[in-house]
Amino acid sequence: QVQLVESGGGVVQPGRSLRLSCAASGFTFSGYGMHWVRQAPGKGLEWVAAIRYDGNNKYYADSVKGRFTISRDNSKNTLYLQMNSLRAEDTAVYYCARVGGANLGPLDYWGQGTLVTVSS
Amino acid sequence: QSVLTQPPSVSGAPGQRVTISCTGSSSNIGAGYDVHWYQQLPGTAPKLLIYGNNNRPSGVPDRFSGSKSGTSASLAISGLQAEDEADYYCQSYDSSLSDILFGGGTKLTVL
Repeated sequence: QVQLVESGGGVVQPGRSLRLSCAASGFTFSGYGMHWVRQAPGKGLEWVAAIRYDGNNKYYADSVKGRFTISRDNSKNTLYLQMNSLRAEDTAVYYCARVGGANLGPLDYWGQGTLVTVSS
Repeated sequence: QSVLTQPPSVSGAPGQRVTISCTGSSSNIGAGYDVHWYQQLPGTAPKLLIYGNNNRPSGVPDRFSGSKSGTSASLAISGLQAEDEADYYCQSYDSSLSDILFGGGTKLTVL
């Protein structure tokens, strides 16, 4: 069965960096686009970034553009989110999710999330 | 404030039918982009509920249905059950912002 497992979250000071990972299993990872979506405590869902199945195209929300980098290693079935220059407002649970079907298809499978807390 | 507008909360008694609206504009829903709906039970990750405006993934009960018209979409839940109590989010794409959008979410309370 499809499984997505995020890791790498934790407490980090403002201005520092953190890298999240999302280990995929149960499907052909190299055939699917992937997204990161976050949810601040008590708030709604916010799309963060997306990457095509081959890693050749990447897309970012304005709120993270220039600070976050999405990448993938299809040989390791792993998605990454490199987060630099972190701010308090980046505090959230970060979910990785698989795109079902075409580029703008639904997010059909989600991980359990990993919590990132940006605080001094 | 979200570009896709949802009511913050809706409620209904067991067995009743409720609808949750998702109002967008001519650059997202009105431009023909698909609307997807997610259910987030308390303390869990979101789960895909409706895709492509009105399609249910396997395993989703037919009590859940979606529709789209003009610049808006709706999620209908009939035969409300206690386990339907959750947050519901619509999602689409906006060509002006070049962003994937989520609605602000709607908390469903089963009375």
